[in-house]
Amino acid sequence: DQQVKQNSPSLSVQEGRISILNCDYTNSMFDYFLWYKKYPAEGPTFLISISSIKDKNEDGRFTVFLNKSAKHLSLHIVPSQPGDSAVYFCAASAANDYKLSFGAGTTVTVRA
Amino acid sequence: GAVVSQHPSWVICKSGTSVKIECRSLDFQATTMFWYRQFPKQSLMLMATSNEGSKATYEQGVEKDKFLINHASLTLSTLTVTSAHPEDSSFYICSARQGRYSGANVLTFGAGSRLTVL
Repeated sequence: DQQVKQNSPSLSVQEGRISILNCDYTNSMFDYFLWYKKYPAEGPTFLISISSIKDKNEDGRFTVFLNKSAKHLSLHIVPSQPGDSAVYFCAASAANDYKLSFGAGTTVTVRA
Repeated sequence: GAVVSQHPSWVICKSGTSVKIECRSLDFQATTMFWYRQFPKQSLMLMATSNEGSKATYEQGVEKDKFLINHASLTLSTLTVTSAHPEDSSFYICSARQGRYSGANVLTFGAGSRLTVL
């Protein structure tokens, strides 16, 4: 049972434009959400996270938005750069549980 | 920053043989390590949680006798795929957690191991 869903397997965006990645979850116990970035032949690396007590967290070009009522979060990358081309995984965990549930990933391609 | 080394990165084996994958935390002590499996175009599926000095906790549907996990030290966890079959071919990734009470975002991932069973 997939508790974290990324319904867009791929996204292509022009350099300098905004990339918006979406993620939906079904488990109402989730209260901590993360985005990981993965390059080919490398392990995922932590990008940004958000706690359920917030609806927005910003770190440089990356902003994560959380809509708890809709059980939806999104990652905005602006401006997009060629080095952002990678697979982005959405992940979630419940309170006091460090196990992460991952989405299937979205492959972002930034065109020059 | 924290580094997790996973070895081998790629292995091919014959059906019926066993394969061991190592996961090492290079510059920190990991009380807990996690083993994931990823099928093409699918998410990382948690297989088991490996705790130093105790038995691993397996997720539902994961055969513990098939996927042997040992976490003998604070820097090393191993996953052994026993009597491997072609359906075990997959990408296996480990992650390590610093400290016992650290938040979820301090999970550091290895680069993964691609297993192909002929």
